[in-house]
Amino acid sequence: DGGITQSPKYLFRKEGQNVTLSCEQNLNHDAMYWYRQDPGQGLRLIYYSQIVNDFQKGDIAEGYSVSREKKESFPLTVTSAQKNPTAFYLCATSVGYEQYFGPGTRLTVT
Amino acid sequence: GNSVTQMEGPVTLSEEAFLTINCTYTATGYPSLFWYVQYPGEGLQLLLKATKADDKGSNKGFEATYRKETTSFHLEKGSVQVSDSAVYFCALDMDSNYQLIWGAGTKLIIKP
Repeated sequence: DGGITQSPKYLFRKEGQNVTLSCEQNLNHDAMYWYRQDPGQGLRLIYYSQIVNDFQKGDIAEGYSVSREKKESFPLTVTSAQKNPTAFYLCATSVGYEQYFGPGTRLTVT
Repeated sequence: GNSVTQMEGPVTLSEEAFLTINCTYTATGYPSLFWYVQYPGEGLQLLLKATKADDKGSNKGFEATYRKETTSFHLEKGSVQVSDSAVYFCALDMDSNYQLIWGAGTKLIIKP
């Protein structure tokens, strides 16, 4: 089955720890994205990558980092510098202007 | 700059009611317009799209018409079901750089 996998679905961390969220796709799409979604709010773009070994900051990149070493994978690290990391994180790919989303990871930091 | 404004939710309707969720946009050129749907606990999925003025996108009984004169892309459905309960996002793509501009989302609750 083609699709986007995000794991785990729920993630719990203590404050001050870095945590890495996984995003894997087998759709063969070049572009990949990370969004953050907070309750009652729309999507905010964290980082995006249009090609392997290249990525750009989105609107709220502070406190996050990414890598794109393989076309299939675009992991997101939430660092201890991110002041309010508790949120729902969505990974997406695109071909043309249509975006395809993974099921999301809900991160809770206490 | 470019932006999308959606009506605030939640919108609560009874089953079989008529649905309209308003979406207006601001854009300097000619964007493509989209509606995405997010079911509880899931990622988003594309519901319908329109790429030029007067185009009508449709899917699963939902429709939206790209109105350039009113800069709107309102989502409609003639008879909603409980299974339509979800959050609906309006979005636009400008300049085909594949970065969508998102509305805040409208939560729809359908009661049996």
